[in-house]
Amino acid sequence: SQQGEEDPQALSIQEGENATMNCSYKTSINNLQWYRQNSGRGLVHLILIRSNEKEKHSGRLRVTLDTSKKSSSLLITASRAADTASYFCATGTGANSKLTFGKGITLSVRP
Amino acid sequence: GAVVSQHPSWVICKSGTSVKIECRSLDFQATTMFWYRQFPKQSLMLMATSNEGSKATYEQGVEKDKFLINHASLTLSTLTVTSAHPEDSSFYICSARALGTGVRREYYEQYFGPGTRLTVT
Repeated sequence: SQQGEEDPQALSIQEGENATMNCSYKTSINNLQWYRQNSGRGLVHLILIRSNEKEKHSGRLRVTLDTSKKSSSLLITASRAADTASYFCATGTGANSKLTFGKGITLSVRP
Repeated sequence: GAVVSQHPSWVICKSGTSVKIECRSLDFQATTMFWYRQFPKQSLMLMATSNEGSKATYEQGVEKDKFLINHASLTLSTLTVTSAHPEDSSFYICSARALGTGVRREYYEQYFGPGTRLTVT
């Protein structure tokens, strides 16, 4: 069953703008990860945040995690057309656990 | 580093035939590999967890006799779709989890293959 629920389901922005995507989950987690998938391709790991972390940065990406609200956000700053893809959050409940993926967000960045 | 390959990248087969998909970790050892399927514009659904040297663990609703998984080595897992039918047409993606904490990679991170597009006619 899917745990992560992303919103919005689809997002269209202009190149240069920031894109914010949210993910909510239901059960306790050990870590939360964000992935990108280009159409018809495999997944690319973007960033992992552990349950004891509140914020993490990687290049133009900023991820926050609020375990009290069971939610996470992914911010992509200064978006580029190449950021156009589907983005998924996935939760893990332990070091050896499987991941449960959300439904995904389709991001379109207009040049 | 941390490259996972899948073969074939796409396959078309006739209804009733079997298809084998390979998943390989190219530069690391993976005690655990995962198999997912993804329908168009949908999320990834975990089918099974493949552990090297032991039987795979299947998710609820996934027929183990239809989706045969073999994890014969630390770098290779195979998924065989037996007696394929058109409803088995999907995008199959594998992922591999790196071994232990002694490598320079996040212990929890899964590395995904590029996927295999299966079309059953």
